[in-house]
Amino acid sequence: DVKVTQSSRYLVKRTGEKVFLECVQDMDHENMFWYRQDPGLGLRLIYFSYDVKMKEKGDIPEGYSVSREKKERFSLILESASTNQTSMYLCASSRGLRLLYNSPLHFGNGTRLTVT
Amino acid sequence: TQLLEQSPQFLSIQEGENLTVYCNSSSVFSSLQWYRQEPGEGPVLLVTVVTGGEVKKLKRLTFQFGDARKDSSLHITAAQPGDTGLYLCAGADSGGSNYKLTFGKGTLLTVNP
Repeated sequence: DVKVTQSSRYLVKRTGEKVFLECVQDMDHENMFWYRQDPGLGLRLIYFSYDVKMKEKGDIPEGYSVSREKKERFSLILESASTNQTSMYLCASSRGLRLLYNSPLHFGNGTRLTVT
Repeated sequence: TQLLEQSPQFLSIQEGENLTVYCNSSSVFSSLQWYRQEPGEGPVLLVTVVTGGEVKKLKRLTFQFGDARKDSSLHITAAQPGDTGLYLCAGADSGGSNYKLTFGKGTLLTVNP
């Protein structure tokens, strides 16, 4: 089974802090994704990466950056955390160069970030 | 921007009842996936439908993809408390190279014993 591991389940940070969320997958997947999930808004894509050192903006990249130095690891960085970034953050991975019908997303269990 | 509308947003039923959840769009998708998310966990894939009109069954769950590949439904027969969770549909763009899915906002299902 594919395992996507997010380093923290719960995180509390102060406004203005730099925050790192880490995600590791163990199935040699090419694609990795960061989503945030908020009540009433669903899952929104922040950034994704289809290869090492490659990244693409998703729908809501403002205030975030990402790093993918190794294939198995995809980091989400909040440069200066703000209260409106309080959310559930979900990392996912998938196989293949394109998001094919036979290549579903495998999600981690999420990091609930609170910014005070 | 492609949108997927899910309905209903919330559903609370008794054990043994049947239910249908809908996922609609004005856009055509090359495929559509259904996920279930339980509290404290990430979404887990239930099924992928690819062909217009396709029907797939997973035990008591029946998934259908619309003929025009713009909509989908999930029907649960004789719901059980273990079916409780957030059901999400997600569409893959048919417009070419695309690394991302469009997610609906989800249907939160509660099945009471």
